Formats: sequence, structure tokens, C-alpha cells
Amino acid sequence: EAGVVQSPRYKIIEKKQPVAFWCNPISGHNTLYWYLQNLGQGPELLIRYENEEAVDDSQLPKDRFSAERLKGVDSTLKIQPAELGDSAVYLCASSRDRDTEAFFGQGTRLTVV
Amino acid sequence: RKEVEQDPGPFNVPEGATVAFNCTYSNSASQSFFWYRQDCRKEPKLLMSVYSSGNEDGRFTAQLNRASQYISLLIRDSKLSDSATYLCVVGSSNDYKLSFGAGTTVTVRA
Repeated sequence: EAGVVQSPRYKIIEKKQPVAFWCNPISGHNTLYWYLQNLGQGPELLIRYENEEAVDDSQLPKDRFSAERLKGVDSTLKIQPAELGDSAVYLCASSRDRDTEAFFGQGTRLTVV
Repeated sequence: RKEVEQDPGPFNVPEGATVAFNCTYSNSASQSFFWYRQDCRKEPKLLMSVYSSGNEDGRFTAQLNRASQYISLLIRDSKLSDSATYLCVVGSSNDYKLSFGAGTTVTVRA
């Protein structure tokens, strides 16, 4: 069974440019998470979806970040415009249900210069 | 106060040693508990779930203490390959949010 797939693996952009990340969760997993991880820190939740509904986006900086999960499967996370402080690893994870263990993709390492 | 707190370590232990560390959580409504392992520049991977009665998976033993709101992980007979950062994850029953600790780094030396 394929795991969580994310793309791209690496992205380098100039500040003020837009960037988008894509995630394909494990088949049949209803819950999808986007996390941000800085060096030496644990993952921090940006947004959680249950099917196509965003049920927790309280930590998403909505002035520049947006996300969608059309049809309740794939998801995209967008930043526009990117700032230097957005440099981090963006992790997507999925779980069968909202209270079961989550499985992570390999992440997208974003560098804003 | 952070929702999940861990001793960052590092714990430097020789091969074959036993190492143990804890994680405390602040939300008394927490209902699900996990330990994840994260290697350098890799994604977190589930190591084990933590059950109320405690559970063991080979050399790894996890315990939950609800009264004091902490979980523990014990690694017996440490291997070089156990070197990693161990993330404590706690799930809340009221909002189903998974909260991660910052991780405990373990280094096993030959």
C-alpha cells in the first residue's frame, strides 16, 4: 500500500513569491493534516481536514496561507506571498479516522531566500 | 505552558544500555497517546501507540500514567540504529487535535 505522497520534496523561492505543496493521503484515510516543522521542534498543526471539511484551521496564518481538499482526497497548501520566516519543512499526514494514528509523507523542505 | 513537553536530551548511551524518558501533557481530556521516531531530515514514523495498561513491542516499552499526566518510553538493549529523536504525541478527545512534543534525542554509541 502506498504511503502519503508529497511533492515537491524541495523548493527554493524568493520572498514574496507564491508556492504550493501537494499531498496525496493513504487511500481510505478520511483525516488529513498539514504540519509545519522547524529545526529542533516538533511538528505544529496548520490545518486538519475530515474528508473535505477543514475542522481545525486555528493555527493557519490566513493572511498568506490557504489550503483546500477538494473531493476529500488530495490536498494543496499554498503560501502567497512567502516570507523568509516560512522556511521550514511542511509535512502532510493522514489517518483513517480523527483519533487514530497518523502517517506522514516525506515532507516538503521550503527555503525562502 | 506547552501542551506536550519532553526532555530534549540528548541521552547518550552505550550499546546494550537501557534508556528511558518521559513526556508530560497538560490536557486532562487527552485520550490517545503515541510515540513516533524521527531520523535526521526524515519524516516522523509511528513507533507505537500507548495504551492505558502499558504495552511492549520488542525492546520498547511504553507506559501511561493518567494521574500524573505523563507517558514514558523505555528502550532495552539499545542498538546503534535506535539513535533518533523520539516524539511524544497526545490526542485530545474534545477536539481530536494531535499535539507533538519537541522530541527527545537519543544517541547510542558503540
